[in-house]
This record gives sequence, C-alpha cells and structure tokens, in this order.
Amino acid sequence: AQSVTQLDSQVPVFEEAPVELRCNYSSSVSVYLFWYVQYPNQGLQLLLKYLSGSTLVKGINGFEAEFNKSQTSFHLRKPSVHISDTAEYFCAVSANFGNEKLTFGTGTRLTIIP
Amino acid sequence: DAGVIQSPRHEVTEMGQEVTLRCKPISGHNSLFWYRQTMMRGLELLIYFNNNVPIDDSGMPEDRFSAKMPNASFSTLKIQPSEPRDSAVYFCASSLGQTQYFGPGTRLLVL
Repeated sequence: AQSVTQLDSQVPVFEEAPVELRCNYSSSVSVYLFWYVQYPNQGLQLLLKYLSGSTLVKGINGFEAEFNKSQTSFHLRKPSVHISDTAEYFCAVSANFGNEKLTFGTGTRLTIIP
Repeated sequence: DAGVIQSPRHEVTEMGQEVTLRCKPISGHNSLFWYRQTMMRGLELLIYFNNNVPIDDSGMPEDRFSAKMPNASFSTLKIQPSEPRDSAVYFCASSLGQTQYFGPGTRLLVL
C-alpha cells in the first residue's frame, strides 16, 4: 500500500513570490506521482505527473515538481505566484503496476496575498 | 471532449430518502472511480471499476451505498437511505492508463 503526507495544510504567499508545496510518499514498490489542483467549488484538475524518465516534471500554469527517490519526495514549485493560483493542491501516488488506484494526500491550501 | 459529466451538480434531500448520483466517463476510458470529499476526511476513494467490473469497493462506507456500471458510458452511485453524515461532494473520475480525470462533482446535502 502507498501513503502520502502533505505536511503543510495552509501556505500563505505574497504575490510574485516563489512557493514550494511539500509532498512525501511511502511505498514498498515503484510509484507514479501526481499533483492535482482544486479551485473553489470545482473538481480536481491535473497539474503534472511523474511516470518515468526525467525527475524534473513541468506542468501547467508554470508549476514544476521534482521526483526525489532517495528522499521519497515530490515537491511542487512555482517561481512566481499569481492571485489566480489560490486553490487547494493535492499530491497523489499510485503503484506503477496493476490497478490504477490513487492515494491522495490531505491537501495544501495555497493563499496568495496581494 | 466534454470531459467527465456528473449529474446532478447539487442535491438537497431529507434524511431517509434515496439519492442517485450519475456519471458519464470520458469516451474510451476503461476505468471509473467514485470519490467522496469532506472537510473532516478529505478525499476518499469509494469504489472503482475497470471495464465495467467493480475492482475495489473497500471504501464504500456501508451497505446503504451501492454503485453500478451497466455499460462503458454510465455509472451510478446510490445511497439508500440517506443520512445527514452523507453530506459531501461526490466526484467521479475516469482514466485510460494512469491519469485520472475528474468531473465537477455533485454537492449533496442531506437534511
């Protein structure tokens, strides 16, 4: 089984400042990793994913994440945030074989301060 | 592509009533997932189907909940009888491979 830890439940950041949202996972097998974003009153939208290959993954809206196998982390970063980035961000993991069941973290609420 | 379609978007009902949530996955996707999201418990996987067959229903809270997928383009999640603690946002997602695509959700309020 897999598990995901998002240590920061809320992250306030000033507009145009950089941000890092932390995600750590636990798994006894190789994994796929995902970041989803949920804007208020909407469903989850895929930001980016790591399946294989380069450990630095670029996604939509200027976000990127780096897979670090030794630290079992998949932190999400953006060099300069905008008001429109205010949302909840979910990290998720699945085993890279067999079923496609995703395990989600508890989410990080990103608030951009003007 | 219309994406995953869910109906209704909002549902208000009284305790004891039957509630049916509907989902149309993205055409060509072979897996379908039902999630529930609450403030207290976050995002929980209730059940998922692969090629219309239920694969894992270990997240279904109790016998009051049931889900069906009669064909590749339609699924339902039924709660009978509903209780106030079932109030939540219910999401449907579909996938072909590892990436799941979510619908807009159904916001359920049981009074």
